[in-house]
Amino acid sequence: SQQGEEDPQALSIQEGENATMNCSYKTSINNLQWYRQNSGRGLVHLILIRSNEREKHSGRLRVTLDTSKKSSSLLITASRAADTASYFCATVSQAGTALIFGKGTTLSVSS
Amino acid sequence: EPEVTQTPSHQVTQMGQEVILRCVPISNHLYFYWYRQILGQKVEFLVSFYNNEISEKSEIFDDQFSVERPDGSNFTLKIRSTKLEDSAMYFCASSGQGTNNSPLHFGNGTRLTVT
Repeated sequence: SQQGEEDPQALSIQEGENATMNCSYKTSINNLQWYRQNSGRGLVHLILIRSNEREKHSGRLRVTLDTSKKSSSLLITASRAADTASYFCATVSQAGTALIFGKGTTLSVSS
Repeated sequence: EPEVTQTPSHQVTQMGQEVILRCVPISNHLYFYWYRQILGQKVEFLVSFYNNEISEKSEIFDDQFSVERPDGSNFTLKIRSTKLEDSAMYFCASSGQGTNNSPLHFGNGTRLTVT
């Protein structure tokens, strides 16, 4: 399966701390995407990183990609209570026409 | 900002009944998807749809499931004879250029409860 797997499953931190979530996948990829899901809501796209990119930033988010290790990480700096959500990585299916999501990391940020 | 809308937000049905979940994708998007998420579990791919036909489907998407784009704006998921294990959140998504080039935009889901 090319499905990404996030690590850790759950993460609890204090406001102001950084949160790092990791994703490992099994097959070669064209791109890897990160999504966020607030409880009971749909997924929201955060960042798309292509296989020829090593790092990408968006505001307080930093995503890295290491294709040799088949892994990616999502770093949220200076976390806020509003960052509390589940975070998923996703890779393209082998047929190339669907995104397959990992099991996600549940992040809890307390104030 | 344009968004994907799904109706109803919550659907309760009895086992064996047919249900149709409705989605209005973003208007200029060409690729459409259905996913489901059983409570507390991962987001599972069901089907992708492009150019009025199914591009890919998962093993979950068996003969009980079908999708349709009946007009230029709606995208529907039909479950012919619901089972208890079909209870889940169903998410519709759309994208402009397919998975290799653009992100998916998700609706807020329909919670399906089968009793």
